Formats: sequence, structure tokens, C-alpha cells
Amino acid sequence: EADIYQTPRYLVIGTGKKITLECSQTMGHDKMYWYQQDPGMELHLIHYSYGVNSTEKGDLSSESTVSRIRTEHFPLTLESARPSHTSQYLCASSEYLTSGTETQYFGPGTRLLVL
Amino acid sequence: KNEVEQSPQNLTAQEGEFITINCSYSVGISALHWLQQHPGGGIVSLFMLSSGKKKHGRLIATINIQEKHSSLHITASHPRDSAVYICAVRAYNTDKLIFGTGTRLQVFP
Repeated sequence: EADIYQTPRYLVIGTGKKITLECSQTMGHDKMYWYQQDPGMELHLIHYSYGVNSTEKGDLSSESTVSRIRTEHFPLTLESARPSHTSQYLCASSEYLTSGTETQYFGPGTRLLVL
Repeated sequence: KNEVEQSPQNLTAQEGEFITINCSYSVGISALHWLQQHPGGGIVSLFMLSSGKKKHGRLIATINIQEKHSSLHITASHPRDSAVYICAVRAYNTDKLIFGTGTRLQVFP
């Protein structure tokens, strides 16, 4: 059972509002990721982090920001929501084992609707 | 053209059938992941492969690095296997995953 949490699970908000999607994991993983997924489509990387005070942009990052002040917390902020931001947002963390295996753990997702 | 292509896009099966889902990719990779996404969005990591074959219960994943191809097999399929199966690759020297669009599997009793 993955210990990675996202809040809110569902959000309906008006255009122009600032929103923050929360993601927390209790596994002590250094690497965390935010993905955006439209229905029936592939996941696209928005931002990722190698650890505290490390953030990197992904493919769709231009309209959002992230912070990583604590290992367990990786919030995503949209400064001014637009209808084009309507999508599902998935947070993930990953763990590399000494065997060389990597496991990705995904949160339950936040479904965002911008009116 | 996507760097990761999956086939088929949709698959229906009767309970008990043997299922194969294919993934082809066009970049050099250090690893390939198979993920399972249930209705409602929750995603579970099934396998990470860098070579050969892995088995977990009724699931088997294989990869052929030379042919840039991986397959996910489900033996004795069950309705609870109904989900979207996603292939994702990690290209060399990157921490980013490149995702396929997924294969939607429905297994009927």
C-alpha cells in the first residue's frame, strides 16, 4: 500500500483563481513528480524534484510552480486557473533499491475542473 | 509519432483468456515500467524491467532491448484485471518517464 496522499481529490473552481494541489508521502523518497493526464491520454510530466530545495520543469510546466521545502511535501500551484487546466493531476514518488529496481508510487490524483 | 506506442488500444477478453499487451519505443532506454490504472485514476506500479523477464502472480513482463519492444502477459484473466495498462520508459541519462497512451482491457465473466 503506497503512502502517498493528494488533496483535494476533486476541485471545481472559477477562472482566474489561484489554487494549490497538495501532495505528501511518508516513505522518505527523495524523488517526486507531478503529472497531468487528460482522459484517455498519456501522462505528461509537469515538474519533478530530486529532493529538498530541488525542483525541475517537465514538459508542461510553464503555467505552474512547485516547491520542495520538506522531503515529504511537494505542492503544485496554479497562479491563475484557466479552463485549459481542467485535467487530472497525479503526484508520484520513486524509490531506487540497491538491486537497481525502481518503483514508482502514485497518489490517487486530483481531478480539477476550471469553469 | 509518440516515442512510446502501445497496442492494442482497447482489448476485450473472456475470463480465463491469455492476454498480451505490447509496447514499442523508439528511444534508448535504461528501464521500462508497466503500470496499471484503475477506473477512478489510481495507478499501481507492476514491473520495472531493464532486461529479460519478470513474473508476479499471473502477470509476466518481457523486454527485448535490441528490438525496443516489451510485452505484458496476463494468464487466466479475471474481471478484476480490467484496467488501463500503461507502458513507460526512462530514456538514458534522464529521470523523466515517457508514457504510452495505455491499453484499456476489459475482461468479461
